[in-house]
Amino acid sequence: DPKIIQKPKYLVAVTGSEKILICEQYLGHNAMYWYRQSAKKPLEFMFSYSYQKLMDNQTASSRFQPQSSKKNHLDLQITALKPDDSATYFCASSQEGLGGETLYFGSGTRLTVL
Amino acid sequence: EQQVQQSPASLVLQEAENAELQCSFSIFTNQVQWFYQRPGGRLVSLLYNPSGTKQSGRLTSTTVIKERRSSLHISSSQITDSGTYLCAMEGTSNTNKVVFGTGTRLQVLP
Repeated sequence: DPKIIQKPKYLVAVTGSEKILICEQYLGHNAMYWYRQSAKKPLEFMFSYSYQKLMDNQTASSRFQPQSSKKNHLDLQITALKPDDSATYFCASSQEGLGGETLYFGSGTRLTVL
Repeated sequence: EQQVQQSPASLVLQEAENAELQCSFSIFTNQVQWFYQRPGGRLVSLLYNPSGTKQSGRLTSTTVIKERRSSLHISSSQITDSGTYLCAMEGTSNTNKVVFGTGTRLQVLP
């Protein structure tokens, strides 16, 4: 019974288009994150949110915009998609967003940009 | 840039053998976690080990802060242990950014 739900599981997009990756967590956590994993690089931190506020942004491009409509939601909007954006995007959460907390991950959305 | 190095990159074992995975950090950290990932699957936290030795079932992690390293020992390996093991650290204080290593891909054969 997954407590962090990511939708869709697979996503194919064309270059230049826009997509939204959905993430919902039912762990009662107050901090949520986005990570990206591609064949070329290790799992990379993208964003962290705590109590629906942006805490850290390590994504160079403004094409990536997290959206938090509710405390347990953190969606990721990606605009002007490029083939290099192809990767698996993982959502994660932790209790408060403080140091020393265990991270819990969703099963990921595998994005392919053609 | 904060980095995490893992070794070996891959490891093949016969069932029931033991495995030793290594992790080293570019900075001093006392926030170390080990994760497990099946191919194409989600990551599962195995152990949170800021320092010293911690055990969970067949897994034992030892973190030596002053040497900026951590290890994960898997005893009596099973076929279902196959997958990728990732080491991760938190960076500087007051941040909840977690930096991951490239992982050790473990294959346990019957």
